[in-house]
Amino acid sequence: EDQVTQSPEALRLQEGESSSLNCSYTVSGLRGLFWYRQDPGKGPEFLFTLYSAGEEKEKERLKATLTKKESFLHITAPKPEDSATYLCAVRLLFGNEKLTFGTGTRLTIIP
Amino acid sequence: EAGVTQFPSHSVIEKGQTVTLRCDPISGHDNLYWYRRVMGKEIKFLLHFVKESKQDESGMPNNRFLAERTGGTYSTLKVQPAELEDSGVYFCASSQGYSRGYGYTFGSGTRLTVV
Repeated sequence: EDQVTQSPEALRLQEGESSSLNCSYTVSGLRGLFWYRQDPGKGPEFLFTLYSAGEEKEKERLKATLTKKESFLHITAPKPEDSATYLCAVRLLFGNEKLTFGTGTRLTIIP
Repeated sequence: EAGVTQFPSHSVIEKGQTVTLRCDPISGHDNLYWYRRVMGKEIKFLLHFVKESKQDESGMPNNRFLAERTGGTYSTLKVQPAELEDSGVYFCASSQGYSRGYGYTFGSGTRLTVV
């Protein structure tokens, strides 16, 4: 069965303290791995799509990487406004167009 | 460009009542998706429209849920009769296509509480 697992469930960091969030996946075939940010009361906001192992993408303090089994979202020198839930989702190679989500990592940056 | 719009943002109904959620996708997006997040669980796929046709409804929990997409524009998701376990946040997303470079834009969701 296709599965996406995110860790940790929650992470508290001091402002400026860099860290990484993990998304591991077990799927029959990957056509894309998506990272989203979700703020309370809002819908998921698109951050990155990664398509093949070795690919990396960056946006401000965020950098996403992809291997054949997992993806990391690296956060460098985070600020309080980076506090949010970060969601990982995969789109499968075969079959329909749906996204399969992980449960997310709730990130809190303490000033 | 206007985003994906969902309403109502919140709905509280009694068990056994009917509720209809609405989603207006981004103009020109042929693909429209419904997802749901129940408390403590991950966001799960419900169904996918391409224009007015249901492409995939494998995630619909049971026949109390009915989704329609009139003329390939906005979509409605009706729950009738509602049960306690239907409580959660219902998200709508739209996409221009399937190829690389096409992402999914989500609405802010409708929080449904069945009491």
